[in-house]
Parts: sequence; C-alpha cells; structure tokens
Amino acid sequence: GAGVSQSPSNKVTEKGKDVELRCDPISGHTALYWYRQSLGQGLEFLIYFQGNSAPDKSGLPSDRFSAERTGGSVSTLTIQRTQQEDSAVYLCASSSLLAGGTDTQYFGPGTRLTVL
Amino acid sequence: QQQVKQSPQSLIVQKGGIPIINCAYENTAFDYFPWYQQFPGKGPALLIAIRPDVSEKKEGRFTISFNKSAKQFSLHIMDSQPGDSATYFCAARSIRNSGYALNFGKGTSLLVTP
Repeated sequence: GAGVSQSPSNKVTEKGKDVELRCDPISGHTALYWYRQSLGQGLEFLIYFQGNSAPDKSGLPSDRFSAERTGGSVSTLTIQRTQQEDSAVYLCASSSLLAGGTDTQYFGPGTRLTVL
Repeated sequence: QQQVKQSPQSLIVQKGGIPIINCAYENTAFDYFPWYQQFPGKGPALLIAIRPDVSEKKEGRFTISFNKSAKQFSLHIMDSQPGDSATYFCAARSIRNSGYALNFGKGTSLLVTP
C-alpha cells in the first residue's frame, strides 16, 4: 500500500514568513511523529501524536513551531516567523503501535525547507 | 543533549568487507534499539532492531551486537555491497520515560567501493 507522503518536497521561503508542511500517514496508523534532520546532526524529535491523546510536544524547539493532526490522520507542522536556523529536512513518520512498544516507524521522504 | 553517540561519522570499505558502526548510550531506561538506513533523497527505513534481553540479532547480512553492561551496540554488515552505500542511524527509545519517540545518533555515511 501507499507509504507516508509529505508535501511539499521542497520549500524555499524568506526569513520571517510562515510555512506549513503536510504529512499523510499510512492509513490506519494511529501514531504520527515529526522529526527534523539537520546536516550532520541526525534526526531530532519534534512532536508525537497518538490517537486522541494530547500530543507530546516536548521536542518542539520554540513556540514558533506548532503541529496539529486532524481526524487522527493528516498532520500539519507550522513554523511561524521562520529563521535561517530552521532550514532542515522535516521528516514525518507513522506507526501502528504494538504491545511491547516495538512498533516500526515508517518515514516519509521529507520536506526540505530552506529559509533565505 | 545527544542521548545516543554514534561513530564513526563516515566509513569507506571495499566490496566484501565488514563495516562496523558503533553506538553508545547512557540512559539505562532505553529498551528498544533500532537501526535505520537512509538513501539520498529518501526517508530513513528500519533495517533491524534489538531489545536489551538479547546480545545479538541477525537478519540476512546485517547483525546487531548488544552489550548491556557497557551500554553499547553495534551494526555489522557482512559481505558488504556497493548497494549498501547509505547513511546509517542508530536509535534508542524508552517507552517509560519518553514515550515512543526515537533518540537518534548523528549517522554514519557508508561508502562501499566496487
């Protein structure tokens, strides 16, 4: 079946503008994650949604970052007043949580954000 | 701070060689250790994963060795092929302390030469 999809694949914006990044998880997956991948820095956790529970926002780097998940499916990551240090690849992953916690997180191809 | 330390940053081996990538962690609450493989322009994909109750897990040419007392784990790629050239990330997670989010190492760029 279809994997995780993200749009746009590339986004170039000017400093100070707001951007929205979209993630379509695998159908039926209850868990959705956002990570940020900066050059040479690995993947950094941003936020996690599980079903109807309150999201885990512990990884969001500042209050300029927010995310929502509508209807338990599609998610949008919003970055307000973008800064140059926000330039990175933003990755979304989804999973079907299993008992014991060894769910596999399936990643989308990412959105490459460049802030000029 | 980086909860999982990965080395080396880059690695070049000849076809048929056995690259080894190492990771270390401090949080003894971690209870799940996956390795992800990422090709350019793609998202990471799960390669193999281990729980701390076993010392080794093998899937095809990929083996994880896990040393709980040393808080270290490593990935070995047997009979490496040029198609294995990619970036490899180790990760760790503690459901008890941090939910299901993964803590990733910084990655190892592997090049397998023909």
